[in-house]
Amino acid sequence: DGGITQSPKYLFRKEGQNVTLSCEQNLNHDAMYWYRQDPGQGLRLIYYSQIVNDFQKGDIAEGYSVSREKKESFPLTVTSAQKNPTAFYLCASSYTNTGELFFGEGSRLTVL
Amino acid sequence: AQSVTQLDSQVPVFEEAPVELRCNYSSSVSVYLFWYVQYPNQGLQLLLKYLSGSTLVKGINGFEAEFNKSQTSFHLRKPSVHISDTAEYFCAVTNRDDKIIFGKGTRLHILP
Repeated sequence: DGGITQSPKYLFRKEGQNVTLSCEQNLNHDAMYWYRQDPGQGLRLIYYSQIVNDFQKGDIAEGYSVSREKKESFPLTVTSAQKNPTAFYLCASSYTNTGELFFGEGSRLTVL
Repeated sequence: AQSVTQLDSQVPVFEEAPVELRCNYSSSVSVYLFWYVQYPNQGLQLLLKYLSGSTLVKGINGFEAEFNKSQTSFHLRKPSVHISDTAEYFCAVTNRDDKIIFGKGTRLHILP
């Protein structure tokens, strides 16, 4: 079945450690996105990529990094520079310019 | 710049009663409009979308929304809610050339 797979679903890390969240899609979508969700704040865009080997910062990119070496994969690294990394992270993909996003199940990161 | 306002952060409704979740947007160009639903600890899934054509859009699970250009609104409605409709609902807007913008969400609480 086609879809988006995020892993891990739950992740605990100590302060100061980098963490990488995986996102893989088999929908043949060109565009991929990472969002951060905090209670009452909706979805905030971290990074997005519309083509392999190219990506752009979203509204809250500081403390995060991404890569897009393959069309299917868009991993997100939460670095130690991110001041408040505990959150629910959502990956999404779309055909470019349709606006309709397909989401993964999310990854909940807790920094202790 | 585009923006989306969801006027209610929480809406309590009795089971089998009708519900309306309100969404207003601002944009200087033609828009595409979406409603997404998020069940606890899951990703978002598309309920319905307006791209063009008829202003009354029907979606999954008995939901519908009406695009009102003069009032810049895209309110979501359901004539009779069920306990399984308990979730958070997000309105979103985009045009062809810009990234999608999400509202902050409305939590729908179904009362027995």
